[in-house]
Amino acid sequence: GQNIDQPTEMTATEGAIVQINCTYQTSGFNGLFWYQQHAGEAPTFLSYNVLDGLEEKGRFSSFLSRSKGYSYLLLKELQMKDSASYLCAVNFGNEKLTFGTGTRLTIIP
Amino acid sequence: GAVVSQHPSRVICKSGTSVKIECRSLDFQATTMFWYRQFPKQSLMLMATSNEGSKATYEQGVEKDKFLINHASLTLSTLTVTSAHPEDSSFYICSARGGYNEQFFGPGTRLTVL
Repeated sequence: GQNIDQPTEMTATEGAIVQINCTYQTSGFNGLFWYQQHAGEAPTFLSYNVLDGLEEKGRFSSFLSRSKGYSYLLLKELQMKDSASYLCAVNFGNEKLTFGTGTRLTIIP
Repeated sequence: GAVVSQHPSRVICKSGTSVKIECRSLDFQATTMFWYRQFPKQSLMLMATSNEGSKATYEQGVEKDKFLINHASLTLSTLTVTSAHPEDSSFYICSARGGYNEQFFGPGTRLTVL
């Protein structure tokens, strides 16, 4: 199978840091993506990891460990507008992406 | 960055009618596009993969005669929901594949069937 697991919901405080984890089955792995999706809108691309390590992009960073089948998305200096769903998606060697169920993040003042 | 448009953004139709949704890549050529549907508070469900100049590949459980896909050019794919029924009401999203297998999503089409 190609299961992708991420927490269903998380809550964090404005100005703080939050880490959203994603685990996947390693067989056939060919790249991992994080997307942000606000309610009623389409997903927007946040990051891409294919090699081990940390990719930083402003307030957002994404980490990958291929041997562990593990990634996380780190959001710093949280803002209210960061309240959204965050989708982890994996390419397993074909042209498709397999999406996790998404993590609904709520930022509280 | 790559821009994908979708039209219409919202459509309301009567049961039994057909609805066509267009997906366009505006600033790049997309040999492969994807169609998803998403129910409230759920993740994206891939319906089919659309390749330019060939027949679409449908995911298991998706009726190809009900959801007609045509990828007539490198910048346009269309999804036609035939004989729509209330249970087809959903958020339909297209995407175009980039060079690293990333996907660029259109803004989505909210379909409501009365």
